[in-house]
Amino acid sequence: KQEVTQIPAALSVPEGENLVLNCSFTDSAIYNLQWFRQDPGKGLTSLLLIQSSQREQTSGRLNASLDKSSGRSTLYIAASQPGDSATYLCAVLKTSYDKVIFGPGTSLSVIP
Amino acid sequence: DAGVTQSPTHLIKTRGQQVTLRCSPKSGHDTVSWYQQALGQGPQFIFQYYEEEERQRGNFPDRFSGHQFPNYSSELNVNALLLGDSALYLCASRTAGAGGLNEQFFGPGTRLTVL
Repeated sequence: KQEVTQIPAALSVPEGENLVLNCSFTDSAIYNLQWFRQDPGKGLTSLLLIQSSQREQTSGRLNASLDKSSGRSTLYIAASQPGDSATYLCAVLKTSYDKVIFGPGTSLSVIP
Repeated sequence: DAGVTQSPTHLIKTRGQQVTLRCSPKSGHDTVSWYQQALGQGPQFIFQYYEEEERQRGNFPDRFSGHQFPNYSSELNVNALLLGDSALYLCASRTAGAGGLNEQFFGPGTRLTVL
């Protein structure tokens, strides 16, 4: 049974700092891994998707890496801004027709 | 492209009542999944619909049922509401299938409060 964990549960950093969010999954046989952002009480916004054959994806100040063999993914946020404050969730898909399993999320607060 | 839409935005019900939530997928998507998200937790998978059939189901009781229509839109029905059913209900759509990205897109959610 796939289980997804995220560390840390919460993080508070000063504006401008670079930071790393961690995601771990127990079953390395995945189809893809997706990182999402969620603002309080809102839906999920897709940030980055990494397919199983890829090692990383980049979008602006965000970079996500994937190491299937160790069951880990990291989301790197460069030069953090107060607008980055939100909960970040990672989710894994086992096969193309399977359900998506989410981690509990990391709550990020960027202090001006 | 309107993306994934959900209605209503908010809903207040009392224990024992029944509720229906609605979702329209992103244009071109054929697979709809429903999730329940309690405060402070990650979304929990309820079920997934493809070609009007329930294809996958999470660990939710039979009080939770759904439907997918020929235009790929979907409904989530919850009977005999309990206080513990209070949550944000999220709908996600994608085009499922081998070889594709299978990137999920989420709607804004329906906030259900059971009193």
